[in-house]
Amino acid sequence: GAVVSQHPSRVICKSGTSVKIECRSLDFQATTMFWYRQFPKKSLMLMATSNEGSKATYEQGVEKDKFLINHASLTLSTLTVTSAHPEDSSFYICSAFIAASTDTQYFGPGTRLTVL
Amino acid sequence: SQQGEEDPQALSIQEGENATMNCSYKTSINNLQWYRQNSGRGLVHLILIRSNEREKHSGRLRVTLDTSKKSSSLLITASRAADTASYFCATDVQGAQKLVFGQGTRLTINP
Repeated sequence: GAVVSQHPSRVICKSGTSVKIECRSLDFQATTMFWYRQFPKKSLMLMATSNEGSKATYEQGVEKDKFLINHASLTLSTLTVTSAHPEDSSFYICSAFIAASTDTQYFGPGTRLTVL
Repeated sequence: SQQGEEDPQALSIQEGENATMNCSYKTSINNLQWYRQNSGRGLVHLILIRSNEREKHSGRLRVTLDTSKKSSSLLITASRAADTASYFCATDVQGAQKLVFGQGTRLTINP
């Protein structure tokens, strides 16, 4: 089956620094990737839709200048949390559509971000 | 925004029993999917049911969909300790590619 990877799996950073999270589709091309965040014991909240070669579409309430998304190729999307604060600590998960199918999303294993 | 409501929020049963989780949604959908998530891990896709389907089976899983009531249920039969996880429904909203997740049910299977 299709595989999506995320790197890093876990990151701890100091308040005020920026953190980049990568999402890669390993064996398929993904024209569309999605970024979610999940707080402990809560559900996934969609942050933004990342389309290859164009600007990301952010959900209401998500600061686009704080959560920078770049989808430079059909296999890679990055999420950069800029000037991170403790309240940004969360589990960030990406997913990707296979280009030939719009029914199936494949999820990455997630990245645990802790901001001190 | 979250459009799915799941109940119960938490469910604890004995190994071997059946577990039923329910999901309700608000808008028209193309399909509904169920996912499992073990603590601190990514999501595992379990099953997809399309809007024109009413029931689907996969191993010990049985999913129903009632579009008139905008609801779905996930039944896990003969539960095992390894089924302990959180289960989420997600709807593929018509007109949009994105998935909207329910609040989830935390299932605990007691040995």
